Amino acid sequence: EAGVVQSPRYKIIEKKQPVAFWCNPISGHNTLYWYRQNLGQGPELLIRYENEEAVDDSQLPKDRFSAERLKGVDSTLKIQPAELGDSAVYLCASSLVTSAYNEQFFGPGTRLTVL
Amino acid sequence: AQSVTQLDSHVSVSEGTPVLLRCNYSSSYSPSLFWYVQHPNKGLQLLLKYTSAATLVKGINGFEAEFKKSETSFHLTKPSAHMSDAAEYFCVVSEYANAGKSTFGDGTTLTVKP
Repeated sequence: EAGVVQSPRYKIIEKKQPVAFWCNPISGHNTLYWYRQNLGQGPELLIRYENEEAVDDSQLPKDRFSAERLKGVDSTLKIQPAELGDSAVYLCASSLVTSAYNEQFFGPGTRLTVL
Repeated sequence: AQSVTQLDSHVSVSEGTPVLLRCNYSSSYSPSLFWYVQHPNKGLQLLLKYTSAATLVKGINGFEAEFKKSETSFHLTKPSAHMSDAAEYFCVVSEYANAGKSTFGDGTTLTVKP
């Protein structure tokens, strides 16, 4: 079974530039999560999708961040424009359904460096 | 509101000695609790989970954890550390009443000395 796929793995950009991250979840998983992990901290949820609907985006900085999950499968997270403080690892995860009991499966992450 | 506190940011043990990674949680409801491991440049992988069944939970690679409601703790243990156990470990709390939203601790870095 293929795991969660993310690309790119690494990205270096200058501040004020746009950047996009792509995630392909495990086949059949309805729920998709985007997390941001700052150095020395645990992942923090940015947005959660159930199929193609964003059901929790309360922590997404909507002035510069946007996300979409077309057809309830792949997802893209975009930052425009990027700021120095956006340097972090962006993790995508998926689960069968949204539940307190379900395991989340994580991709390897995209490490973003903003110069 | 739910929260997680991992009491040690770094733990160092010698190979073959026991491992103890401490986690305290706060939850308004009956929580589910998880331990994930993150090896360098790899995704987080589930070690074990507690979901209101047996309080002593066994996971992969010889790890286990005990849910203690009176102490609001969910400490991770392993009888004998292996070099391959060196990684970052995250304790996670999730509440059914909070739409299954997960809150992660800040992680504990485990170093295993030969």
